[in-house]
Amino acid sequence: AQSVTQLDSQVPVFEEAPVELRCNYSSSVSVYLFWYVQYPNQGLQLLLKYLSGSTLVKGINGFEAEFNKSQTSFHLRKPSVHISDTAEYFCAVSVRGLIQGAQKLVFGQGTRLTINP
Amino acid sequence: ETGVTQTPRHLVMGMTNKKSLKCEQHLGHNAMYWYKQSAKKPLELMFVYSLEERVENNSVPSRFSPECPNSSHLFLHLHTLQPEDSALYLCASSQAVQSGAYEQYFGPGTRLTVT
Repeated sequence: AQSVTQLDSQVPVFEEAPVELRCNYSSSVSVYLFWYVQYPNQGLQLLLKYLSGSTLVKGINGFEAEFNKSQTSFHLRKPSVHISDTAEYFCAVSVRGLIQGAQKLVFGQGTRLTINP
Repeated sequence: ETGVTQTPRHLVMGMTNKKSLKCEQHLGHNAMYWYKQSAKKPLELMFVYSLEERVENNSVPSRFSPECPNSSHLFLHLHTLQPEDSALYLCASSQAVQSGAYEQYFGPGTRLTVT
């Protein structure tokens, strides 16, 4: 079975500082990896995804993540954060070829990113 | 309307009531999902429909009953709920592709409070 661990439940950062949100996963098979963001009173929005190819993935709003197969990690980074980045961030893993073409996502517990002025 | 919509956005119901949550996707997808998001817990996958057929039921109590009449609509029928069922219920959709390589698009959720 797959599992996802987000190592920090809360991360406070000052505006314009860099940030890294950590994500580790466990799986015995090849996976796809995703980062989603949830702003207050909204659903989840895709930030970026790793399917194959280059291990450095760039997403929306200046975020990027690096897939590290040997460390089974997929950490999310941004070099300079803004107040508007305050939100909950979720890492998720999907196993290939499941359930008749639909996708079974397993989510981490989430990391609340708070940007302070 | 664009993307994934959910109605109502907020719902308060007693334990003896019957209510339904509605989800509609305008993206041409053919897989739809129900998730439960409780405080301090990871998102829990409840049900999955692919090509209008239920393909996953994640050990959800029978007081939750899903319905998918077509590829654009998904319902969650609720009856005799418990206070611990209070949560944000999220609907999502995606393409149904065997590789599973497509992202899911989420609606804004229905905030359910059971009194």
